[in-house]
Amino acid sequence: EVQLVESGGGLVKPGGSLRLSCAASGFIFNTYTINWIRQAPGRGLEWVSSIHSISKYIYYGDSVKGRFTISRDNAKNSLYLQMNSLRAEDTATYYCVRDYGDDGAQRFDIWGQGTMVTVSS
Amino acid sequence: DIQMTQSPSVMSASVGDRVTITCRASQGITNSLAWFQQKPGNVPKRLIYAASSLQSGVPSRFSGSGSGTEFALTISSLQPEDFATYYCLQYNTYPPTFGQGTKVEVK
Repeated sequence: EVQLVESGGGLVKPGGSLRLSCAASGFIFNTYTINWIRQAPGRGLEWVSSIHSISKYIYYGDSVKGRFTISRDNAKNSLYLQMNSLRAEDTATYYCVRDYGDDGAQRFDIWGQGTMVTVSS
Repeated sequence: DIQMTQSPSVMSASVGDRVTITCRASQGITNSLAWFQQKPGNVPKRLIYAASSLQSGVPSRFSGSGSGTEFALTISSLQPEDFATYYCLQYNTYPPTFGQGTKVEVK
């Protein structure tokens, strides 16, 4: 079964740090770009960051640039998001989502179940 | 960044209604658009990709159309399980951007 499973969410104080992980299974992980997409409570979807299959290209949204770092370990079929200098507005459910640029059928098709991050004092 | 303007924000509809949601891109995105359905507490589910291709397993009452800057998601006959929030996503150009969502609620 094709699957993405996030972990690492929790409660953190403003200014703190958190590292999210996403474990992939059921597909050839090192051929896919993977994204982090978040959703604040009661709000819409916001793309956060993406990393190319072999980390050749990395992108960040303006709201997290300079504070978040995306990385991956293809040997472990895993994706990470290091979040520093966290703010209240980073409170959201964070999803990892796969993307295969050469095939429309595999663009943003598989989503993890999400991990909740709450930034509060 | 490409802005995706989705309308309406809220739609009141009845079972059996034909429902159409639109997304307008601030610049041309060819057919690089997907539609997602999200129910409360659930993960977004992709319904349509490449503007008009139906995701496997999604009922045929859902259809997508459009190209360039104007796109639509149509539900031909609304079913009880279709009351949800719908989002469009453009993936033609980084950063990928979502519409603000359309909540389809019971009339």
